[in-house]
Parts: sequence; structure tokens; C-alpha cells
Amino acid sequence: DGGITQSPKYLFRKEGQNVTLSCEQNLNHDAMYWYRQDPGQGLRLIYYSQIVNDFQKGDIAEGYSVSREKKESFPLTVTSAQKNPTAFYLCASTSRTGANYGYTFGSGTRLTVV
Amino acid sequence: AQSVTQLDSQVPVFEEAPVELRCNYSSSVSVYLFWYVQYPNQGLQLLLKYLSGSTLVESINGFEAEFNKSQTSFHLRKPSVHISDTAEYFCAVRKMDSSYKLIFGSGTRLLVRP
Repeated sequence: DGGITQSPKYLFRKEGQNVTLSCEQNLNHDAMYWYRQDPGQGLRLIYYSQIVNDFQKGDIAEGYSVSREKKESFPLTVTSAQKNPTAFYLCASTSRTGANYGYTFGSGTRLTVV
Repeated sequence: AQSVTQLDSQVPVFEEAPVELRCNYSSSVSVYLFWYVQYPNQGLQLLLKYLSGSTLVESINGFEAEFNKSQTSFHLRKPSVHISDTAEYFCAVRKMDSSYKLIFGSGTRLLVRP
């Protein structure tokens, strides 16, 4: 079955360390997104990409970086510049032709700073 | 700019009682509207959507939502809730243009009590 796979499910980061969250989809979707979720704040857009080798900053891009070298993959790096990275991270994708059907989401990665 | 307001952060209700989760949006252009559901430590799942046509849309598990253009609302209702409906519910809006960005509300936690 097609879907989005996020890994790992849980991730622990030490202070000053960079970590990379994986997001892979086999839905042949063009656009992919990264959201951060904090309690009571809903979903906030970090970065998004509508085509390979191109991406745009969302509302809270500082301290994060992404790449889109393949259509199927959109990894997110949380850098040491992100001062409060503890959160639940969600990856999503949508098709350019079927964009009116909303997003398909992965199951999330919970990142904790230790 | 678009925005989505979910007026209630938490809605407690007894099992088999009716429930309404409120969603209002602001946009200067026509939009698509969505409701997503999130169970603990999981990603978001599409519950239902309004694209065009009939203003009343239904999901397979008994939820329904009505698009009211004059009141810019898309409230979610269920006539009789189950314990298993306990989850977080997100309203989202997308402009009817080439942008694929979804704007989410802050979420409403539905807590069904026995």
C-alpha cells in the first residue's frame, strides 16, 4: 500500500547536536511538507517543496534545513541553531493534480532534547 | 491572508451525546475546506472535505460538516459520539489556486466520557 514513512518514531538529541528526520513517500506525490506540532498550537509549517531540487521556507524555518534530491524523499535536519526543538514533527505530501484532496500524513517523529 | 479559528480548545461530552466542533475561516478568495482527526502519537487522517457542490459533507464514521459561505464556517457535527471518537480534530483551508498550502486551525480536543 502507498503511504508516507517517517523514521525514527522517537529521537533524542543532545544539546548542540544536529539530527535528521527521514520522510519517504511512495505515492508519486509532487509536493511535500514538514510541520511542527506543539501542544495547544496546532501545526506550524517549517518547509515545503513542490518539485525536486526546490523548496521554500514556511512560517518557522529558522534552525531547520531540508533537501529534495529525489521526488520520494524530503529529509528534515534540526540544527543546533534551533533552540527549542522538542516537539512532534509531521511530514505530509500531496499530488499536484489531486491537490484538492488534501494531504497524506506520516505517523510522525517525536524529538526530545536530553 | 487566510486564517482558521477553532473556537474551542477542548470539548468534553458524554458517550452517545451529540457534539459540534466549531471552525471559522477568513479568506478573500474561494477555498477548499477539510477536517482532519489525530489520535495520540499518530499523524493526521482526513475525515472529510468540502470541494464544491452540496454544502453538507459526510464521513464514513458518522461525522458531517456543513459549509456556510455567508458565515464563513465549516462546523463538524456528530449526532451520537463513541468513546473511540476521543481525539484531536483539526480544521484546515486551502485556496482554490495553484498553491497547495493548507492552513490549519489550532485544533479541538474531543474528550468522550462514559
